[in-house]
Amino acid sequence: QKEVEQNSGPLSVPEGAIASLNCTYSDRGSQSFFWYRQYSGKSPELIMSIYSNGDKEDGRFTAQLNKASQYVSLLIRDSQPSDSATYLCAVNDSDKLIFGTGTRLQVFP
Amino acid sequence: GAGVSQTPSNKVTEKGKYVELRCDPISGHTALYWYRQSLGQGPEFLIYFQGTGAADDSGLPNDRFFAVRPEGSVSTLKIQRTERGDSAVYLCASSLTSPGPQYFGPGTRLTVT
Repeated sequence: QKEVEQNSGPLSVPEGAIASLNCTYSDRGSQSFFWYRQYSGKSPELIMSIYSNGDKEDGRFTAQLNKASQYVSLLIRDSQPSDSATYLCAVNDSDKLIFGTGTRLQVFP
Repeated sequence: GAGVSQTPSNKVTEKGKYVELRCDPISGHTALYWYRQSLGQGPEFLIYFQGTGAADDSGLPNDRFFAVRPEGSVSTLKIQRTERGDSAVYLCASSLTSPGPQYFGPGTRLTVT
């Protein structure tokens, strides 16, 4: 059974701080990694994708991938209260995605 | 452009009834996926279509669940003899390529009473 593991949180950070969200996966053959943001009562929204080792930056978001350690992370710089949501890590298993249970992020003013 | 759309947004049905959930993917996306999400969990894969054919239906929990995509665009997820355990949010996603980034619709919240 291929697995994606995330700490459920909540992760509480003050406004303006860096939020660091982590994810580990079990399948060494995975090639595609995604971060989704899900607000309460809404559907997942794709915010980052990463396919090769290293960092990928997009605005305030940075995704980091380490395939040797089977580890992918998401950094959110200058966190805002509007970033408060559940962040889902997803890893491909052939054509489908395997999701973690998500980490709830709370950004307080 | 328009995103993935799903209808209905909410569906309440009695145990034992039949339901159909509809998904209209992003125009031009050939890959279409169905997931379901229970409270506090991540989405769980059900079935994947490439064009008109079901390329992977390994996530369908049992033979009460069936999905079609007859013209390679709109898809319908069909659930027979619904059970209370089927209550969840059913999410549809589409992708331009597979594997590739998947874009989700707003979901259908199914409640079986």
